[in-house]
Amino acid sequence: QQQVKQSPQSLIVQKGGISIINCAYENTAFDYFPWYQQFPGKGPALLIAIRPDVSEKKEGRFTISFNKSAKQFSLHIMDSQPGDSATYFCAAKNFNKFYFGSGTKLNVKP
Amino acid sequence: DTGVSQDPRHKITKRGQNVTFRCDPISEHNRLYWYRQTLGQGPEFLTYFQNEAQLEKSRLLSDRFSAERPKGSFSTLEIQRTEQGDSAMYLCASSPVAGSRNEQFFGPGTRLTVL
Repeated sequence: QQQVKQSPQSLIVQKGGISIINCAYENTAFDYFPWYQQFPGKGPALLIAIRPDVSEKKEGRFTISFNKSAKQFSLHIMDSQPGDSATYFCAAKNFNKFYFGSGTKLNVKP
Repeated sequence: DTGVSQDPRHKITKRGQNVTFRCDPISEHNRLYWYRQTLGQGPEFLTYFQNEAQLEKSRLLSDRFSAERPKGSFSTLEIQRTEQGDSAMYLCASSPVAGSRNEQFFGPGTRLTVL
């Protein structure tokens, strides 16, 4: 059973547009929700993260929105650029274990 | 220090052979994780070390898999009697002692192909 469900599987956005990726979870014991960016042939790199006591966190063009009651969180990439084209993973942590979503392949068209 | 390193980056082996991967975490990171990532999927937790102690092990880790972290520095992941289903990217990540204990730094991974 997948602990974190991610959608969409792939996303095409025009340069300058907003990319939105969504994740949902069931386990209310999760206490940390990071987003990772992965380029082909590389390991995932932490992009931004949020704790469940915060509803929104913004870092540059990247924003996490967190809805604790709905058990959902999303990543918004503002002013998307071709260099943002990568695979994005949401994750959730419980104690020392991280559970990852299945990934969203983002393609930003120039 | 340039980050988490993994060796080899690619490994091709025949079914039934044993393979061993190495991970060198960022200096002084006391937490080390191994993950497996198959094509089109997110990383799946395999095991976790705090210093030299293996504190958690996934049910995904069959008896053919073993991991060690002698002296709490580098770690090795061994797969015995490899099967085609073991073909995947094996990722290592480490976490710092101080600062954000939640942040993981991933290595580039070792891609295993079992023929």
